[in-house]
Amino acid sequence: DVKVTQSSRYLVKRTGEKVFLECVQDMDHENMFWYRQDPGLGLRLIYFSYDVKMKEKGDIPEGYSVSREKKERFSLILESASTNQTSMYLCASSLLQGKDTQYFGPGTRLTVL
Amino acid sequence: GENVEQHPSTLSVQEGDSAVIKCTYSDSASNYFPWYKQELGKRPQLIIDIRSNVGEKKDQRIAVTLNKTAKHFSLHITETQPEDSAVYFCAASFQKLVFGTGTRLLVSP
Repeated sequence: DVKVTQSSRYLVKRTGEKVFLECVQDMDHENMFWYRQDPGLGLRLIYFSYDVKMKEKGDIPEGYSVSREKKERFSLILESASTNQTSMYLCASSLLQGKDTQYFGPGTRLTVL
Repeated sequence: GENVEQHPSTLSVQEGDSAVIKCTYSDSASNYFPWYKQELGKRPQLIIDIRSNVGEKKDQRIAVTLNKTAKHFSLHITETQPEDSAVYFCAASFQKLVFGTGTRLLVSP
């Protein structure tokens, strides 16, 4: 059974802080994704990675960066948190690119004050 | 890039009724269409998917239909039960998934 975990369920940060959100999957999946979920906007792709050390911008990458040093771990970084980055952040992983089941983590609800 | 529109945003039905959620997509190259269910406070989970070489797929009370010409696909839930209450997301993919905005389904006993 695929397990995707995220480092925190709830996080409160102040404007301007650097924020790290971490995601770990235990199924040797090549592909990992970061989404943010906002009411009425669905799931929007921030960044994704199809291999270690590889990253691609998604639909809303501005204000974010990512790191994938190991296959099982994909980190989302907010260089200087802003209030408009208050959201639910979901990590996902999949075995195959594009046309495969994505397994989601439990989410991190980030509040930026 | 791909754009996916989903309707309705909310849907209320009585237990035992059918529910239909519709999505349209813009990129004719998309060839994979999954549906995810997200219960309150939980993570999204895949419930059914369809690929572009198939027009319909069923799994017990859930079915998905795909019309490639019109670029739309739909989720059908029959004999709804209170545990079907959740937010449902459609998605379309050629190389990466693009999600719709979600439909909140409420099934009243």
